[in-house]
Amino acid sequence: DGGITQSPKYLFRKEGQNVTLSCEQNLNHDAMYWYRQDPGQGLRLIYYSQIVNDFQKGDIAEGYSVSREKKESFPLTVTSAQKNPTAFYLCASQNLKGQAGLYFGPGTRLTVT
Amino acid sequence: AQKVTQAQTEISVVEKEDVTLDCVYETRDTTYYLFWYKQPPSGELVFLIRRNSFDEQNEISGRYSWNFQKSTSSFNFTITASQVVDSAVYFCALYMNYGGSQGNLIFGKGTKLSVKP
Repeated sequence: DGGITQSPKYLFRKEGQNVTLSCEQNLNHDAMYWYRQDPGQGLRLIYYSQIVNDFQKGDIAEGYSVSREKKESFPLTVTSAQKNPTAFYLCASQNLKGQAGLYFGPGTRLTVT
Repeated sequence: AQKVTQAQTEISVVEKEDVTLDCVYETRDTTYYLFWYKQPPSGELVFLIRRNSFDEQNEISGRYSWNFQKSTSSFNFTITASQVVDSAVYFCALYMNYGGSQGNLIFGKGTKLSVKP
């Protein structure tokens, strides 16, 4: 089945530790995105990538880093510089040629204590 | 500036009632796309519909229907004969023509719909 996978579903970390969230897609989509969702809020864009080895900052990139070494993979690292890392993180991909909607993964809920 | 407003934070209805979720958007672009997503308690966002700015035809899909009106910058979503499984948070989103938008999908804050049996 084609789709987007994110792992793990729940992640717990101690303050001060970096943590990497995984996102993989087998849809052959060009673009991939990372969004953050806080309670009662819409989604806010962290980073996005249109092609391999290239990515752009979104609205709230501070304290995060990404890489796009393969078309299928777009991992997100939440660094210790991120002041409020506890949130629900959603990865999405998009076929740019078709201009279809963004398709989202199941999300990772990160809790930092 | 681009913006999406979903004025209804929470709506509660009884099963079989019809319910309309409002969405108002702002953009200066002439080419854009509007979306609705459903987020059930599991958290995953489910794509419901995409509409481009040149197509104002209303759409119906089963119990779901969408009313796009450029004159009022609205893209409202109606669920007919609601069911308990419709309980979720619904997001409206705006996506500008790719060349000018840096690829951002701008979301409203969502409307939480609770359908009671």
